[in-house]
Amino acid sequence: AQSVTQLGSHVSVSEGALVLLRCNYSSSVPPYLFWYVQYPNQGLQLLLKYTSAATLVKGINGFEAEFKKSETSFHLTKPSAHMSDAAEYFCAVSVPANQAGTALIFGKGTTLSVSS
Amino acid sequence: GEEVAQTPKHLVRGEGQKAKLYCAPIKGHSYVFWYQQVLKNEFKFLISFQNENVFDETGMPKERFSAKCLPNSPCSLEIQATKLEDSAVYFCASSQNRNEQYFGPGTRLTVT
Repeated sequence: AQSVTQLGSHVSVSEGALVLLRCNYSSSVPPYLFWYVQYPNQGLQLLLKYTSAATLVKGINGFEAEFKKSETSFHLTKPSAHMSDAAEYFCAVSVPANQAGTALIFGKGTTLSVSS
Repeated sequence: GEEVAQTPKHLVRGEGQKAKLYCAPIKGHSYVFWYQQVLKNEFKFLISFQNENVFDETGMPKERFSAKCLPNSPCSLEIQATKLEDSAVYFCASSQNRNEQYFGPGTRLTVT
């Protein structure tokens, strides 16, 4: 069965520091992978996605993620944190890939706090 | 529309009452999904539709939950005889290809 593990339920960084949110997946077939952000009392906003093209994926708001098959990882990074990045971040996997209608399997989320 | 719309934003029901939630997918999207978010972090898939047909209902509690997507109407998720444990935020999402799902703002259901 497919699964997603987000290491670290809470990550705290200073404004301007590197952001690294970790995501590992388990899948026996090639997946599609996604990062979503959720601001308080709002829905999920898609940050970026991996759909078997380039392994380094750039998303909105300066975020990027690299798909590493050998490590079964899809970590999210941003070179310089901004106060507005404080939110809940969810990694999700879709298997089988490229089959529209397949449910997303979510990790348990990582709360990102940014201090000034 | 360009966004997934969900109504109502908040819904309060006494235990045992019925709750009905609505979702209008993005125009042109063929797939609609319902997810339940409990305890702020855990997302549970309930059901998905391809147009008006059920695509995957493996997450759906069959006893009290039902859902429909009828032509020219918002999709709906109905809970008969709500229980305290049904308190959650229910998200609807829609997609067209590559399973890139776009989420609505959610409906917060509180069962008292």
